[in-house]
Amino acid sequence: GESVGLHLPTLSVQEGDNSIINCAYSNSASDYFIWYKQESGKGPQFIIDIRSNMDKRQGQRVTVLLNKTVKHLSLQIAATQPGDSAVYFCAENPGYSSASKIIFGSGTRLSIRP
Amino acid sequence: GAVVSQHPSWVICKSGTSVKIECRSLDFQATTMFWYRQFPKQSLMLMATSNEGSKATYEQGVEKDKFLINHASLTLSTLTVTSAHPEDSSFYICSASGQRYGYTFGSGTRLTVV
Repeated sequence: GESVGLHLPTLSVQEGDNSIINCAYSNSASDYFIWYKQESGKGPQFIIDIRSNMDKRQGQRVTVLLNKTVKHLSLQIAATQPGDSAVYFCAENPGYSSASKIIFGSGTRLSIRP
Repeated sequence: GAVVSQHPSWVICKSGTSVKIECRSLDFQATTMFWYRQFPKQSLMLMATSNEGSKATYEQGVEKDKFLINHASLTLSTLTVTSAHPEDSSFYICSASGQRYGYTFGSGTRLTVV
């Protein structure tokens, strides 16, 4: 079936350093991508999104990069803080309409070393 | 911003009974709602997509007679787990999508079947 992402890895980062979380997607027709943050026992929280006509988008302390050639997505978090500890999921929307379902990747657990 | 309320946040039920989970969009009209299930240390798996006033569309492998979805209004969708068994124990999360808003997630419901 459709899938986004690889197995669930864990990324350990020193507080204050930059974090880079990667994601691979399988549907070349997908035109909208979203990064979510999920803390334990809570629902996913929107971080940033990007459409397929862009290759980079920046938010507050976060940047998403999209490489459609290799179907790769990355999330960069600048100056990682303890509050950034969570599981991060990339998700893809195969269609432009909000009625289209979104498919989640397997996620990456980010842990912060003091 | 868009807010989605999910209730209850946790529930324990006996095997063989049914449990209803509610998902409400508080400040916008949700034309489409999505229901996900998440097992420990795994990603969110889409169960079904529901459009207001229509029958839900279930993902492959999801039993529609076991997981009853109702989306009778633009602000409320319910998921009923019928004849629950211990293997149905999971974290259930809803997401609502409207014309002005993308995908907003509820805080999830932890279901434990004993």
